[in-house]
Formats: sequence, C-alpha cells, structure tokens
Amino acid sequence: AQSVTQLGSHVSVSEGALVLLRCNYSSSVPPYLFWYVQYPNQGLQLLLKYTSAATLVKGINGFEAEFKKSETSFHLTKPSAHMSDAAEYFCAVSVRGGSNYKLTFGKGTLLTVNP
Amino acid sequence: GAGVSQSPSNKVTEKGKDVELRCDPISGHTALYWYRQSLGQGLEFLIYFQGNSAPDKSGLPSDRFSAERTGGSVSTLTIQRTQQEDSAVYLCASSLGRGSNEQYFGPGTRLTVT
Repeated sequence: AQSVTQLGSHVSVSEGALVLLRCNYSSSVPPYLFWYVQYPNQGLQLLLKYTSAATLVKGINGFEAEFKKSETSFHLTKPSAHMSDAAEYFCAVSVRGGSNYKLTFGKGTLLTVNP
Repeated sequence: GAGVSQSPSNKVTEKGKDVELRCDPISGHTALYWYRQSLGQGLEFLIYFQGNSAPDKSGLPSDRFSAERTGGSVSTLTIQRTQQEDSAVYLCASSLGRGSNEQYFGPGTRLTVT
C-alpha cells in the first residue's frame, strides 16, 4: 500500500518569496510521484511528475520538485511566488506495474500568497 | 482538444434519492478513474475502468455505489439511497491507459445531500 504525507495544511508566503511545499511518501515498490494544483471550484491540473527519468523534475508555471529516495521525499518548490500561485496543492503517488495507475493523494496544502 | 467533462456541475438531492453523475473522458483515452473529494476524507479513489471493464472497484464505499462505462467512453457513477455523508465533489479523470500514468481531471460534480 502507498501513502502520502503533506506537511503543513496551510502555507503562507509573500509575493516574490520562495515557495516550499513538503511531501513525503511511503511505497513498497518504486513509485510514480505527482504534484497537482487545484484552483477554487476547478478540477486538478498536473504540475509535474516523477517517473524515474530524472530526480529533478521541472513542471509548469516555474515549479520544480526533487525526488529523494533516501528521504522518501518529493518536495515542490518555486523560487519566486506570484499572486496567481494561490491555490491548493496535492501530492500523489501511484505504483508501477499493470495498467492501473490509481492515485493516492495527500491531504493537500493551501498556499496563500500575500502582496 | 476537449478535456474531460462532467455533468451536472452541481447536484442537490434529498436523502434517500438516487443520483447519476456523468463523465465524458478525453477522446481515445481508454482508462477512466473516479475519485471523491470531501472535507473529512480528502481525495479518495473510487473505481478504475480499462475500456468497459472495471478491474478495480476497491474504493467504492458501499454497495449503494456503482458505476458503468459504455462504448469505452462515457461513464456513469450511480449512488442509490443517498445519505448526507455522500455529499462531496466527485471527480473523474482519464488517461491514455496501457502504460500511461498521466491522468487528466474533469471539473467535478458537487453533490449535496439534504
């Protein structure tokens, strides 16, 4: 079974500051890892994914994440926050093998960006 | 191209009534997933379709929940005898399937049971 822990249900940063959203995972087999963003009253949009090709993954809107197996972490970062980054962010894991890639999500982190 | 669409966007129903939620996946996507998003439980997997068959129904919370997919395309999630705890946003996602792990989500259906 897999699980995801997102540390901090709410993170607040100033515009232009570093964004760091934390995600730790547990998986008995090599995982696929994802970050999704959800804007109010909308579905989930994929920001980036890790599928073993590279440990540092770059995504949309200037976000990136680094897979660290030794720390079982996949933290999301962005060097400079923008007001439009305010949203809820979800880390998710799925496992390799077969054709079923159902996602197990963390509880989410609400990002607030202050002017 | 068109993304995943879901209907209705909002549904208010009385306790005990049956509801049907619809998902139209991206054309050509063979895999389809249903998830539920609620305040108490967060985002939870419900069911996975590959084509018209559902090899993984492990997330359906009770036998009041069922889903089908026809023509390898549209899927319907049915909740019978709705309860207040069924109130949630129901999200559908599709992917190319067979080796593709990237899921594209619809906007969801917000279900409120009164």
